[in-house]
Amino acid sequence: GAVVSQHPSRVICKSGTSVKIECRSLDFQATTMFWYRQFPKKSLMLMATSNEGSKATYEQGVEKDKFLINHASLTLSTLTVTSAHPEDSSFYICSASDRYAEAFFGQGTRLTVV
Amino acid sequence: AQRVTQPEKLLSVFKGAPVELKCNYSYSGSPELFWYVQYSRQRLQLLLRHISRESIKGFTADLNKGETSFHLKKPFAQEEDSAMYYCALTKAAGNKLTFGGGTRVLVKP
Repeated sequence: GAVVSQHPSRVICKSGTSVKIECRSLDFQATTMFWYRQFPKKSLMLMATSNEGSKATYEQGVEKDKFLINHASLTLSTLTVTSAHPEDSSFYICSASDRYAEAFFGQGTRLTVV
Repeated sequence: AQRVTQPEKLLSVFKGAPVELKCNYSYSGSPELFWYVQYSRQRLQLLLRHISRESIKGFTADLNKGETSFHLKKPFAQEEDSAMYYCALTKAAGNKLTFGGGTRVLVKP
């Protein structure tokens, strides 16, 4: 199947700094990618839909100025957590659908804000 | 609003025993339903989708529109089935997914 790669897989940052997470579709083009957040022992919650060449669509309650999404090409979407705080610590997962509309997930990024 | 409910957080069964993971959904239209699985230290991956109507790794799931359910079943569980299972729905393939809370399956030898 198709491959979606996330980088980094793990990051620790200081409170107040910004962190960028990359999501790449390695062998297919994705006009739409999705960013999810997973709290410990909880399910995945959709944060936003990343649209290539246009603004991301954020779910209710997700601060768009805090979680900046850029989908500059058909194979890359980035999520930047700005001015990170400890409560932003979480597991972030991206997904993309191939031409058969099957969703493939990245391996996830564990963010720890200290 | 769309919602997916998995009432069991943990299912513990012995190898060879049947296992059934419950999934109920609420959605105003006709959604597409999926089961995703996450094995230890691996990424989330598709197990099966209701439109395929196929059996994957011995698992089957039937969409019951009357009961708005999409329960996952396997007649004889194996140790390698131990994983986290998520039921999910979308209004159309390729769109955003709404996930249930997940069920951890533990198959004991």
